[in-house]
Amino acid sequence: AQSVTQLDSQVPVFEEAPVELRCNYSSSVSVYLFWYVQYPNQGLQLLLKYLSGSTLVESINGFEAEFNKSQTSFHLRKPSVHISDTAEYFCAVSIIQGAQKLVFGQGTRLTINP
Amino acid sequence: SQTIHQWPATLVQPVGSPLSLECTVEGTSNPNLYWYRQAAGRGLQLLFYSIGIDQISSEVPQNLSASRPQDRQFILSSKKLLLSDSGFYLCAWSETGLAGETQYFGPGTRLLVL
Repeated sequence: AQSVTQLDSQVPVFEEAPVELRCNYSSSVSVYLFWYVQYPNQGLQLLLKYLSGSTLVESINGFEAEFNKSQTSFHLRKPSVHISDTAEYFCAVSIIQGAQKLVFGQGTRLTINP
Repeated sequence: SQTIHQWPATLVQPVGSPLSLECTVEGTSNPNLYWYRQAAGRGLQLLFYSIGIDQISSEVPQNLSASRPQDRQFILSSKKLLLSDSGFYLCAWSETGLAGETQYFGPGTRLLVL
């Protein structure tokens, strides 16, 4: 079975500061990796995902994540955050073979302070 | 373009009452459909997924059931609600259910059982 651990339940940062949201996973088989974002009182939306190829993936709003197979991690980073980045961020995995069943971490609440 | 709807947006129900939450998808055919629950302070847990009409898999034993009477309609039900059923219920869809695909989430239903 797969599991996902998001090490920080809450991360407060100041506007324009860099941020890293940590994600580690456990799986005996190869997985795909996802970051979803949930803005207040909304559903989730995909931020970025790693399927294959370059281990560094980027989103359109400045976030990036790097797949590290040896450390089984997929940390999310942004060099300079904005107030509008305030949201909850979920890391998820799905195994490569078989039907898509996402296994989510517990989420990290990112709060941006002015 | 595809859209996903959920209703109601919020619901307050007494313990022991029945439940019916509805999810519909527009703009696509034969989608894979999913029900998740997000309990307070916890990540998302997959409850049910469906690859077609009347084809539903349950991921966890619980007080809930799901049905898919039409191709793009997914219903979550309970005969008697428990306090522990409170949470944020999210419906999602994907094109084919292959492991690397993006899941698209609805706006969610917030359920409070008193």
